[in-house]
Amino acid sequence: EDQVTQSPEALRLQEGESSSLNCSYTVSGLRGLFWYRQDPGKGPEFLFTLYSAGEEKEKERLKATLTKKESFLHITAPKPEDSATYLCAVQAGAYNTDKLIFGTGTRLQVFP
Amino acid sequence: EPEVTQTPSHQVTQMGQEVILRCVPISNHLYFYWYRQILGQKVEFLVSFYNNEISEKSEIFDDQFSVERPDGSNFTLKIRSTKLEDSAMYFCASNPTEVRTEAFFGQGTRLTVV
Repeated sequence: EDQVTQSPEALRLQEGESSSLNCSYTVSGLRGLFWYRQDPGKGPEFLFTLYSAGEEKEKERLKATLTKKESFLHITAPKPEDSATYLCAVQAGAYNTDKLIFGTGTRLQVFP
Repeated sequence: EPEVTQTPSHQVTQMGQEVILRCVPISNHLYFYWYRQILGQKVEFLVSFYNNEISEKSEIFDDQFSVERPDGSNFTLKIRSTKLEDSAMYFCASNPTEVRTEAFFGQGTRLTVV
C-alpha cells in the first residue's frame, strides 16, 4: 500500500532559524511528489512538484529536494508568515490514476 | 488569478439529511476532484471526474455519495443521508490535465453533521 509519512509532526522555530521538514514515501512507481502549504481552515496551496531523484526547486525561503525514498522541504531564515501546515503528497502507480496521497503534515510555527 | 470556488464555506446539517456541496473549478480545467479532511487527520481522496464521468473513486466514496457536473461551470458533491462521521472539510480541486500537474484546491466547505 502506498504510504506517505511526514516528520516532525510539529516544529517551532525562532525567526531566522533554518530547518528542514521530511517526507518519506513508500509507493509503487512515483510519478510526482507535491508540497502544499495549508493555513488553518483553508485549502492546500500548491508550492512545488518534484518528479525525479536529484531534482530541486526553490521559491523564496523554501527549497524542496527529492531522493528515491524521501523529500525535504528546507526553510531558510523563516519568518512568522511562514507559519502553516506543510503537506506532502504523491502521485503514483499507473497513469490511469491521478489521485494525490497525502501525509499528515508538519505544523510549523515561527516566532518573532 | 484563477481560483477554485466552493460554497457554502460552512454547512450544518442534521444526521440523515441530504447535502450538496458546490464547486466552481477553474474555467479551462478538465479534471475535477473531491477530497476530504477530517479534523486533525490527513487529506483523503474521494473521487476524480473527467469527461462527465467518474474516473476513479476511493473506498470512502460509497453509495451515499454522488458527483455531478450539471452545467459547464459547476461541480457538485452530494451526500444522500449524512452520518456523524461525514463531518469534515471537503475540498474541491481541479487540474488542466491529469498527468504530472498539481491540483488547485478550493478553500473548502466545512460540513458539520449534528
